[in-house]
Amino acid sequence: DIQMTQSPVSLSASLEEIVTVTCKASQDIDTYLSWYQQKPGKSPQLLIYDATNLAAGVPSRFSGSRSGTQYSLEISRPQVDDSGIYYCLQSYSTPWTFGGGTRLE
Amino acid sequence: QVQMKETGPGLVQRTQTLSVTCTVSGFSLASYGVHWVRQAPGKGLEWMGVIWGDGNTNYNSGLRSRLIISRDTSKSQVFLIMNSLQTDDTAVYHCAIGSFWYVMDAWGQGASVTVSS
Repeated sequence: DIQMTQSPVSLSASLEEIVTVTCKASQDIDTYLSWYQQKPGKSPQLLIYDATNLAAGVPSRFSGSRSGTQYSLEISRPQVDDSGIYYCLQSYSTPWTFGGGTRLE
Repeated sequence: QVQMKETGPGLVQRTQTLSVTCTVSGFSLASYGVHWVRQAPGKGLEWMGVIWGDGNTNYNSGLRSRLIISRDTSKSQVFLIMNSLQTDDTAVYHCAIGSFWYVMDAWGQGASVTVSS
């Protein structure tokens, strides 16, 4: 199974900075990497797909990038509404696997 | 409009079998893969498995021996059946699909299942 190592586990951010969450895959997964946001008591929502493409309706302050087997989610000037838990997901091969999650406050 | 809703028993006894149903509307099960994802209290997301549009299935390696995903296309329903339940199977069980086969961008609200000892 492909392992997704996500970091950090948690972070707090001010409204003026750039927040970065990282996932490292245990092997090549090409661009089959997506990012999800989950708020308390809610279902996850897709933010980024194909490692870098913004999902429909997602604010442009969210962006994704890739460097080899390392993938990053960036949030520029995070808003209060961006609080929640963020997960990466590899869908390169089954079984699909999620990262452990990053709590953003 | 795509809609998905999970229904489950709420409470199940340890060692028993869990059955959760995902009822969908707005699309054909023959055209999309339906995934199951669960989340234990205070824990992260765990991909459980998928039934693809052609009816083929793939499962989480750690659950494969006790998990079956099936469907009834005429009723637009997908079924998750898992046996030999333990207390750590207590979780919210979600079904989800994707506009592309490699993402999940439509999720049900989830069905909360508690396994009682």
